[in-house]
Amino acid sequence: GAVVSQHPSWVICKSGTSVKIECRSLDFQATTMFWYRQFPKQSLMLMATSNEGSKATYEQGVEKDKFLINHASLTLSTLTVTSAHPEDSSFYICSARDPRRGTYEQYFGPGTRLTVT
Amino acid sequence: GQQVMQIPQYQHVQEGEDFTTYCNSSTTLSNIQWYKQRPGGHPVFLIQLVKSGEVKKQKRLTFQFGEAKKNSSLHITATQTTDVGTYFCAGPVRGSEKLVFGKGTKLTVNP
Repeated sequence: GAVVSQHPSWVICKSGTSVKIECRSLDFQATTMFWYRQFPKQSLMLMATSNEGSKATYEQGVEKDKFLINHASLTLSTLTVTSAHPEDSSFYICSARDPRRGTYEQYFGPGTRLTVT
Repeated sequence: GQQVMQIPQYQHVQEGEDFTTYCNSSTTLSNIQWYKQRPGGHPVFLIQLVKSGEVKKQKRLTFQFGEAKKNSSLHITATQTTDVGTYFCAGPVRGSEKLVFGKGTKLTVNP
């Protein structure tokens, strides 16, 4: 149980275009999902907390107009990188807690590697 | 803000040697979690410790939570090449579902 999928696994886009990344909880309902960014050889940087049915909560320094998050249902959250630039190239990972477990661990999707040319 | 420090940043061992990574929080934690990220992969949850002084084992891995609930360690006995990866500790942000991660310890194992 507690499987999270992410799509696409990798994407290459041109500068100025937008890219949408999907995160799905496959076997549980997630009222809260998290979006992280990871640079090579570095730790996970939390970008935002995605709440089903309400606006996402962004971490300090993360541009909410650039990284649009929509949590449309209990199993789907999307991250749209708008007007992407080369500096947005990174590994984006989502995660979710499984509320059935009553514990605090997060289950991560396989990640999306974004390259902006 | 709340911080989680982890050392060492890198550790290279010969197969069969032991390995330990240490985690220290700036605040008392309600629990601490450990994750493993294989090269090119995503973090995978290993374990959660909740009680002061708690020790848990998973085969060759031993996890410890300090008495003050501010530090933790992960010890691997007799490393194998399958242990390669980055090990992260993480603690919850008080009053939130968010986690704050340590910077991780990257383990490489020479066969």
